[in-house]
Amino acid sequence: SYELTQPPSVSVSPGQTARITCSGNALPKQYAHWFQQKPGLAPVLVIYKDTERPSGIPERFSGSSSGTTVTLTISGVQAEDEADYYCQSADSSGTYADRVFGGGTKLTVL
Amino acid sequence: EVQLVESGGGLVQVGGSLKLSCAASGFTFSGSAMHWVRQASGKGLEWVGRIRSKANSYATAYAGSVKGRFTISRDDSKNTAYLQMNSLKTEDTAVYYCTRFSDHYDSLDIWGQGTMVTVSS
Repeated sequence: SYELTQPPSVSVSPGQTARITCSGNALPKQYAHWFQQKPGLAPVLVIYKDTERPSGIPERFSGSSSGTTVTLTISGVQAEDEADYYCQSADSSGTYADRVFGGGTKLTVL
Repeated sequence: EVQLVESGGGLVQVGGSLKLSCAASGFTFSGSAMHWVRQASGKGLEWVGRIRSKANSYATAYAGSVKGRFTISRDDSKNTAYLQMNSLKTEDTAVYYCTRFSDHYDSLDIWGQGTMVTVSS
């Protein structure tokens, strides 16, 4: 089955830049999207189609793509950004999952 | 207000069945594909399945882990999507979210608050 690989954790100090990567073989052909999830709450879409930001999401959130890796960048990290982040894409093989999530990355703001 | 509200979660024995509902409001439900995503306690998000709109023949797709046991349906007259879960296993224990697929975002933009399903042995 298709997999998206994320680092389990990333730690940064307030005001610094956090980068969370997501790797998958189909990412050159399929869009990736990013979700933020805080404890006890539903996920929130923060980046769509690799680089686009939904309305209401702060400008410090950005996305980029290079080959089989996409990256979520949070510039000037704030304490409120501490959360779990998940990448999501489509399974272009069509074998099983229509959509696939990465394993998630816990962002800790030191 | 745009929202999704899940209901129907609860405690069920291994091998049992449960049907979740997802009531939508504030957007054109009939034109939207609806997905279900679950999350076991302390674990990541797992895509469960989806149902497309009438225009796309109500096509369904499922994750391999639930295929043949779970069925997604919808009633556009009630703005409600359903997840019928049969032959439940302990590993199906999770919070189940329904979520809307947005053609604009090509992703899942509206999520419900989730409903807890516990499968007990």
